[in-house]
Amino acid sequence: DIQMTQSLASLSASLEEIVTITCQASQDIGNWLAWYQQKPGKSPQLLIHSATSLADGIPSRFSGSRSGTQYSLKISRLQVEDTGIYYCLQRYSNPYTFGAGTKLELK
Amino acid sequence: QVQLKESGPGLVQPSQTLSLTCTVSGFSLTSNSVHWVRQPPGKGLEWVGAIWSGGSTDYNSALKSRLSISRDTSKSQVFLKMNSLQTEDTAIYFCTKQLGFSAGWGQGTLVTVSS
Repeated sequence: DIQMTQSLASLSASLEEIVTITCQASQDIGNWLAWYQQKPGKSPQLLIHSATSLADGIPSRFSGSRSGTQYSLKISRLQVEDTGIYYCLQRYSNPYTFGAGTKLELK
Repeated sequence: QVQLKESGPGLVQPSQTLSLTCTVSGFSLTSNSVHWVRQPPGKGLEWVGAIWSGGSTDYNSALKSRLSISRDTSKSQVFLKMNSLQTEDTAIYFCTKQLGFSAGWGQGTLVTVSS
C-alpha cells in the first residue's frame, strides 16, 4: 500500500500568515493527489485535486504544488475560517490512502 | 445540485452484517463513481471502496473479504454491505462522488458495533 505521511500532526499560525502543509508519498503517485479540509462534525471538503488544481468555489488563497513525491498545500493569508484538519489523499492505486491529517489552529 | 445521503442502522451487533444505502441526486450513477469512506470517532479517514460509472467495483484489500458494494441506478442508490462486523468497524461512514476529483459528500452516518 502507498503510505501518505503528513509529518506535522498540528500547526498553529496567526491570521494573515502564510501556512504550508506537506504530505510525502512513499512512491511515485504522479499528480493523483487531493487535499481536503474537515471541520468538526462535518464532511471533508475538497480543496485541491490533481495536485495543483483548485476545486470549484475554493478561495484562491489555497494552492497546491508538487516536488517529486512531496506535495504541499499553501494558504497564502490565513483566515479564521481556515482552521480545521487537512488531509491529503492519493488516488493513484488501490487502496486509496489518506494522510493522518494536520490540525491547523489559530495562534 | 449534487446531494448524497447515507442511511442505515446506527447500531449493529458484533459478527452481524452492516447494510448502508447512499441515495444521490443531482448527478447520474452511470456517469460518476461513488466511493465509501469511513472515519472512526476522533480518528482519520479510510477509503472503503468504490463503484465505478460502468458498475465495476474496487475494494480496500484490508476489507475485501467482508465487503460488497452495489447499486440500483433506477433509484439512484448505492449500497454497502459489510459482514462479520467487529468493534473496530465502529465509524462514521460517508459516501462521496468521484473521490479526489469532485465535491459532493454525504453528511455521514455513525455506525456503532456493540452488543
